[in-house]
Amino acid sequence: GESVGLHLPTLSVQEGDNSIINCAYSNSASDYFIWYKQESGKGPQFIIDIRSNMDKRQGQRVTVLLNKTVKHLSLQIAATQPGDSAVYFCAENYQAGTALIFGKGTTLSVSS
Amino acid sequence: SAVISQKPSRDICQRGTSLTIQCQVDSQVTMMFWYRQQPGQSLTLIATANQGSEATYESGFVIDKFPISRPNLTFSTLTVSNMSPEDSSIYLCSAEGQGETQYFGPGTRLLVL
Repeated sequence: GESVGLHLPTLSVQEGDNSIINCAYSNSASDYFIWYKQESGKGPQFIIDIRSNMDKRQGQRVTVLLNKTVKHLSLQIAATQPGDSAVYFCAENYQAGTALIFGKGTTLSVSS
Repeated sequence: SAVISQKPSRDICQRGTSLTIQCQVDSQVTMMFWYRQQPGQSLTLIATANQGSEATYESGFVIDKFPISRPNLTFSTLTVSNMSPEDSSIYLCSAEGQGETQYFGPGTRLLVL
């Protein structure tokens, strides 16, 4: 079936650096994508989303880029802070009212 | 955004017993879902909780093992029946808010001995 995957299981950065977390998706019919942050002992927390009619969307310190040609999604975190340390999941949805399909997750570790 | 709570937050259970997990949303939502997350793994969909009708289960999950109720637009329960140690996991409830965004509860951490 369709699946969403991530290129790197772990990413270690220094505080203040910019972080880039990548995700490859396989369903070209997917039209909605979400990034979640999951801290230890908590549920996934919504960070930012993007629809397939967009290439880029910015939030507070975060930017999501969508490349539909190669079915690639990335999350950029500017000026990474220790509080950004968590597991990050991308998820895709190809139809409203259906469940999300999650990627495998990337663990971001930020050292100060 | 929807605020979702789950009860219990964690439990330790004996094999062969059953546990019912409750999920409460602070607003009426059409779609609610139940996921399982094994330690260190991603989220796997168990079922879609349909209001007023039977839940829709994903491959590998059956109603006898994971019965689900959805009595109204703000509440759902998931029961893990006849538990075994392999059922030790985090169980997560989610609800679809505006624009297809799904919000998650804090999860229920289950350990089966």
